[in-house]
Amino acid sequence: KNEVEQSPQNLTAQEGEFITINCSYSVGISALHWLQQHPGGGIVSLFMLSSGKKKHGRLIATINIQEKHSSLHITASHPRDSAVYICAVNSNSGYALNFGKGTSLLVTP
Amino acid sequence: DAGVTQSPTHLIKTRGQHVTLRCSPISGHKSVSWYQQVLGQGPQFIFQYYEKEERGRGNFPDRFSARQFPNYSSELNVNALLLGDSALYLCASSLSSTASTDTQYFGPGTRLTVL
Repeated sequence: KNEVEQSPQNLTAQEGEFITINCSYSVGISALHWLQQHPGGGIVSLFMLSSGKKKHGRLIATINIQEKHSSLHITASHPRDSAVYICAVNSNSGYALNFGKGTSLLVTP
Repeated sequence: DAGVTQSPTHLIKTRGQHVTLRCSPISGHKSVSWYQQVLGQGPQFIFQYYEKEERGRGNFPDRFSARQFPNYSSELNVNALLLGDSALYLCASSLSSTASTDTQYFGPGTRLTVL
């Protein structure tokens, strides 16, 4: 099984701050996902990437395949960004996703 | 278009009972995956179905079973419920058979409490 580690586990930031959440995994992958989970449970897919960098609005995701590491950045953070951010990688079988435990982000006004 | 829907939203059962959870994927999506999320943990993969066939199974006991219907909706069944089965059960749909390399669209989940 591909172990997925996220850091930090919890993060509090003030509105406007630049935020970085890190994800590392133990074996080679073909895809890494970043997901957002709001209180109540709903999960939204933010990015799926296999190399390089992707940007969507204030969110940027990068991946370094050689170092088995990915980062999710949030620029100009806002209280509505408060959520749990989860990293997931595909398993060797190709069917399953292995998830990290998530990073709980709180952005205060 | 409607997103992924799940029913029921919440469910309370007692130990030893059986439960059926339902999921309707986004129109056109043929793949459905089921995940269990225990409080404070990331989701864990239970099953993936594509075109009504089981394509993958996670490390869950035989008490857990699932099926996919011709309209691509899916049911997750859990027999002989244990306290440890209390969790949020998430369904996700995607277009392709290799769900883990495809964008997955998640439903709101079913919160199961076993007393």
